[in-house]
Order: sequence, then C-alpha cells, then structure tokens
Amino acid sequence: DSGVTQTPKHLITATGQRVTLRCSPRSGDLSVYWYQQSLDQGLQFLIQYYNGEERAKGNILERFSAQQFPDLHSELNLSSLELGDSALYFCASTPSGGTSGRNEQFFGPGTRLTVL
Amino acid sequence: KNQVEQSPQSLIILEGKNCTLQCNYTVSPFSNLRWYKQDTGRGPVSLTIMTFSENTKSNGRYTATLDADTKQSSLHITASQLSDSASYICVVSFSNDYKLSFGAGTTVTVRA
Repeated sequence: DSGVTQTPKHLITATGQRVTLRCSPRSGDLSVYWYQQSLDQGLQFLIQYYNGEERAKGNILERFSAQQFPDLHSELNLSSLELGDSALYFCASTPSGGTSGRNEQFFGPGTRLTVL
Repeated sequence: KNQVEQSPQSLIILEGKNCTLQCNYTVSPFSNLRWYKQDTGRGPVSLTIMTFSENTKSNGRYTATLDADTKQSSLHITASQLSDSASYICVVSFSNDYKLSFGAGTTVTVRA
C-alpha cells in the first residue's frame, strides 16, 4: 500500500458525459501528479500540482482539468468524454515539488474509466 | 527530443532463470533514472532510483545498472519467481524540471 488513495476504482459512463476522479496523496506529500495509461500503452503525464498551484503540464487535453484543494487532495475533471478517453488514470504524490535527486513518486491504485 | 526506449518489448522466462531488461535514453540534462514494476491493472511501484553518479543499485533480486556515458541502463532479475510477472518501466527525470520521461515498458512473463 503506497498511502495514495484514489476513488472510484472503476467508472463506467457514456460519451459526452463528465466525470471527476479523486486522489488523496500520502500524508505530508505536497505534490500530486496525474497520469493516463491507455490499453497497452505507457504512462502519459497529464499535470502536476504542488501545494495547491499548478506546477507542470504534460499532454493534457483542453477537455480535462484538475485542481488541488487546501487539504491537498486533488481532482481530475474529464468532460465531453470520448471513447478514446477509456483508460487507467493514476495519481502519484511526492513530498516536494520536483522529481530530481531521490524524490520518489508513490502511485495510487488507479481509476479505470470506461466510456461506452 | 528526450526519449526513453526499452527492450525487449516482452519476454517469457522459466521460473528460476535470470533475465536482463534494457533501457536507452536521450534525456538531457539528466537527474536520475528509476525502474518501476507494474502489476496488471495496478499502480507502478518503485524498485530502484539511481542518480547520475551511481552505477549500480540492488533491491533484493533486482539489480539496476546505469552507464551515464552511454546513456544506458539495465535491470537484472535473478532467480525469477512467478510473482515477477509484470511490466517493468524505465523512467528518467530531467534536471531543472518537474517532468518524467517514461519508457513503454517491458512485459515479463514467468512460467512454471
């Protein structure tokens, strides 16, 4: 158990809908990262938040947005869903804002999104 | 363009045998290189983290090596077990940045 929690575990929805994925980082970690992993593909970095502020952006679509709240949990909002958005969505947390040195990322169990 | 390439894409080995996975990267400037193990449908779990000054790091039956000059890393699994069946992902961190470059992973299947 990494200490990172994600809800829900599974989500099934229809095209055009909007969903919210939730992530709680490890106790004391200030950074949250969101990743998308489509079937048989590698992890794609979406976005990072550090202590409530957006820190880095990756391949995140305009239909997707995220935020980090004062209690440090984060939500990833996916709207106007398409079939191709079906994937595993992981969040990870680190104590500080960077990934240099030995700053290890701890991954949550993921949310499996299925768009029908 | 910063890239991380892993080989082979997949491999099958018999229980008790050893195997070696490769990772080549072109990330620059380089901060550290990580190997993760990802069981099917689960989040990745860190195996090793190496900075540019380290050339080997072990975690039980897993040993990672790094040659920063040739920009190559390998992950050696000794005396494989059925529980080693997973995807192994090489991840490289930039210096002065907050992003990570992920390899596509090597899928290892250990058979009895």
